Amino acid sequence: GENVEQHPSTLSVQEGDSAVIKCTYSDSASNYFPWYKQELGKRPQLIIDIRSNVGEKKDQRIAVTLNKTAKHFSLHITETQPEDSAVYFCAVYNYGQNFVFGPGTRLSVLP
Amino acid sequence: DSGVTQTPKHLITATGQRVTLRCSPRSGDLSVYWYQQSLDQGLQFLIQYYNGEERAKGNILERFSAQQFPDLHSELNLSSLELGDSALYFCASSRTQGATNEKLFFGSGTQLSVL
Repeated sequence: GENVEQHPSTLSVQEGDSAVIKCTYSDSASNYFPWYKQELGKRPQLIIDIRSNVGEKKDQRIAVTLNKTAKHFSLHITETQPEDSAVYFCAVYNYGQNFVFGPGTRLSVLP
Repeated sequence: DSGVTQTPKHLITATGQRVTLRCSPRSGDLSVYWYQQSLDQGLQFLIQYYNGEERAKGNILERFSAQQFPDLHSELNLSSLELGDSALYFCASSRTQGATNEKLFFGSGTQLSVL
């Protein structure tokens, strides 16, 4: 089955700096890659996603890049703010299969 | 608001008891997923239903069971509860399976405390 690794497990950055979280997956047939942000005690919220026919997608300060050949995709957050502090989960989906989540990255943005 | 509704928000019970968690998916979504999240842990996939049928099983204990009803709402039943079952239980829904525009949305969760 699909195996998703996520690095780093924890990340601390200064406010205003950029943060990058990377996920690797094993099944080359996977074709949808969402990212979720989870604040303490809250539900995971979909913040950005990318499909296999696209290499990069941006939404204001966040972006996701996909390298299908190398089977990895990354979340990029620029100009980080304290409210970006949360746990971020990547996920991988193969049409007709299931969503497989990475173990999560705890991001702390220091003021 | 994701449109996925979970009840109750909080549940406190004793060891050995049985509880039922309820989930209503977003309007038009046919798939329902259940996840367990223990303190500071990741999202542990339990089970998925699609249009009333079980589609995938994760690490779900035999003491746990679920079903999806004709109106597409789902219930997760947890029995013979143990202290270790204390966790946040999330329901999520998606439109269908095999669709090219699939997205997964989570409910607000049920916080289960077993004392």
